[in-house]
Amino acid sequence: SQQGEEDPQALSIQEGENATMNCSYKTSINNLQWYRQNSGRGLVHLILIRSNEREKHSGRLRVTLDTSKKSSSLLITASRAADTASYFCATDASSYKLSFGAGTTVTVRA
Amino acid sequence: GAVVSQHPSWVICKSGTSVKIECRSLDFQATTMFWYRQFPKQSLMLMATSNEGSKATYEQGVEKDKFLINHASLTLSTLTVTSAHPEDSSFYICSASSRQHNQPQHFGDGTRLSIL
Repeated sequence: SQQGEEDPQALSIQEGENATMNCSYKTSINNLQWYRQNSGRGLVHLILIRSNEREKHSGRLRVTLDTSKKSSSLLITASRAADTASYFCATDASSYKLSFGAGTTVTVRA
Repeated sequence: GAVVSQHPSWVICKSGTSVKIECRSLDFQATTMFWYRQFPKQSLMLMATSNEGSKATYEQGVEKDKFLINHASLTLSTLTVTSAHPEDSSFYICSASSRQHNQPQHFGDGTRLSIL
């Protein structure tokens, strides 16, 4: 079942610009994860942030988590054409099952 | 990172055919595997949770007799779409988990199923 909402639904940016997308969820969580999906492919794990963490970095990715607002953001800095993909947040509330957000489609123009 | 292999990557078959999709974890023991369905431009919907050596747990609204899941070993789970019909056409994705706390799931590359 989906518990999260993401915005924007779609994002088009110029190469080199930053891309920010947001995720909101409804219940308490153990962790929140971000995944990337290229067209017609499976999901690639990007970052996992635990409920007691507020910010996490991985290369050009920065994730924040605000459990009081039940929201998270993913920032991609200095975007590249290869970053063109759909990005999903997923929450792990219990039983190791993930609930996915609706996703944000990012297009990076050369 | 952990590798999950899903096969076949795409299949086209006639209505009434049963189709089997395999999901293998290649370099770790997957205590639990998950099966998702994804419609075009939509998110992933969890269909069922498959635990090694026990019956799968299906999400509400998913027909157990239509989507048969077997998880006979720690590295292999299969999803069989029985008597497939055009409305079963979709993108099916599996993922594998070692059920360790705060660890991500590892996804296969998906199977595009088209029923004519």
